[in-house]
Amino acid sequence: DTEVTQTPKHLVMGMTNKKSLKCEQHMGHRAMYWYKQKAKKPPELMFVYSYEKLSINESVPSRFSPECPNSSLLNLHLHALQPEDSALYLCASSPQDRGAYEQYFGPGTRLTVT
Amino acid sequence: GENVEQHPSTLSVQEGDSAVIKCTYSDSASNYFPWYKQELGKRPQLIIDIRSNVGEKKDQRIAVTLNKTAKHFSLHITETQPEDSAVYFCAARSSGAGSYQLTFGKGTKLSVIP
Repeated sequence: DTEVTQTPKHLVMGMTNKKSLKCEQHMGHRAMYWYKQKAKKPPELMFVYSYEKLSINESVPSRFSPECPNSSLLNLHLHALQPEDSALYLCASSPQDRGAYEQYFGPGTRLTVT
Repeated sequence: GENVEQHPSTLSVQEGDSAVIKCTYSDSASNYFPWYKQELGKRPQLIIDIRSNVGEKKDQRIAVTLNKTAKHFSLHITETQPEDSAVYFCAARSSGAGSYQLTFGKGTKLSVIP
């Protein structure tokens, strides 16, 4: 099973709202990632969690707040977003955060900020 | 850091013909090279990958070749079908410092004309 699941599939939120994106994997992977993808662009790394600890924050604004409650779950809390934050948010996982390991993506959450 | 260049940006082929997408990378410490296929509105899907100790890998109609000396790798799709139409991303992962992330190429939009 190489499945990463994400909820919700679509999200529309206002600039004053607070919402959360959720990601789950049951492959026993110890690294999980959040990416942002704009149309016609490659995925852009936001955060990396390794063994449930934040290992990388790619200078992401504080209005994005990641959380890893356990080894299978990854959340992204959203607050006071801007219209330019509208994008496809992808979660991914891999066995480890380093090395020649496969990385699998979830289906993504299509976020629209109004 | 790693830099991955991908060419061409768009590619149109007749059904049944072959398609080749090429990528170059800059970091000689890179040792893992995956290829992702992304259909419109869907997740990037890992279709094939190659590690630096292998020169070629094949899976049915798709194959990847790696030339470590020249620092380039290529995706070959034979007997193309309309369902191969998608955006393809190459990526590279270094074994050196900062090896937590995949560096993606900018993508190739492949159109297979029936």
